[in-house]
Amino acid sequence: QQQVKQSPQSLIVQKGGISIINCAYENTAFDYFPWYQQFPGKGPALLIAIRPDVSEKKEGRFTISFNKSAKQFSLHIMDSQPGDSATYFCAAPGTYKYIFGTGTRLKVLA
Amino acid sequence: EAGVTQFPSHSVIEKGQTVTLRCDPISGHDNLYWYRRVMGKEIKFLLHFVKESKQDESGMPNNRFLAERTGGTYSTLKVQPAELEDSGVYFCASSQGRVFDYGYTFGSGTRLTVV
Repeated sequence: QQQVKQSPQSLIVQKGGISIINCAYENTAFDYFPWYQQFPGKGPALLIAIRPDVSEKKEGRFTISFNKSAKQFSLHIMDSQPGDSATYFCAAPGTYKYIFGTGTRLKVLA
Repeated sequence: EAGVTQFPSHSVIEKGQTVTLRCDPISGHDNLYWYRRVMGKEIKFLLHFVKESKQDESGMPNNRFLAERTGGTYSTLKVQPAELEDSGVYFCASSQGRVFDYGYTFGSGTRLTVV
């Protein structure tokens, strides 16, 4: 069973700072890597995703950087805001399903 | 469009009891997934339905867990008898088609506590 290693487990960032979360995956047959954002009491929701025919994808303050040769990808949150405080999960494609990381609890201090 | 609905939102049961979780996917979504997250761990795959058929149940922990999807609509996940290690948040997700093309829509989860 494929595993996805995610770090750090928790992260505290000052408002306006950069939040960086890293993930590493094993072999995969498909190329589509999403990040999910989860607020307390809610289910995870798709935040941003990348197909690794590109090395970077940016949507607003959120950027995915992808290193296919190293089998690693990361989420960067620029100008982090208190409203970004949530748990973030990376995911890698398994067989017709996603394999998720262990999650990163982000707290952005006002 | 209504989202994925799960209930109950919380359940506290004693060890040895039975609990049934329900998931109503988005209408028309043939693919339905069950996942579980134990505190601090990954969101772990349990099983995948395509319509009423089990496509992949490789993540089901043991035979105390039984999942059904009647008529390809809502799904239930029964735990009988429940054990302490079954505690966690159970998520249901649905997808319109192949997950890599459409992604998941998750429900808010059922928090199960076995005491």
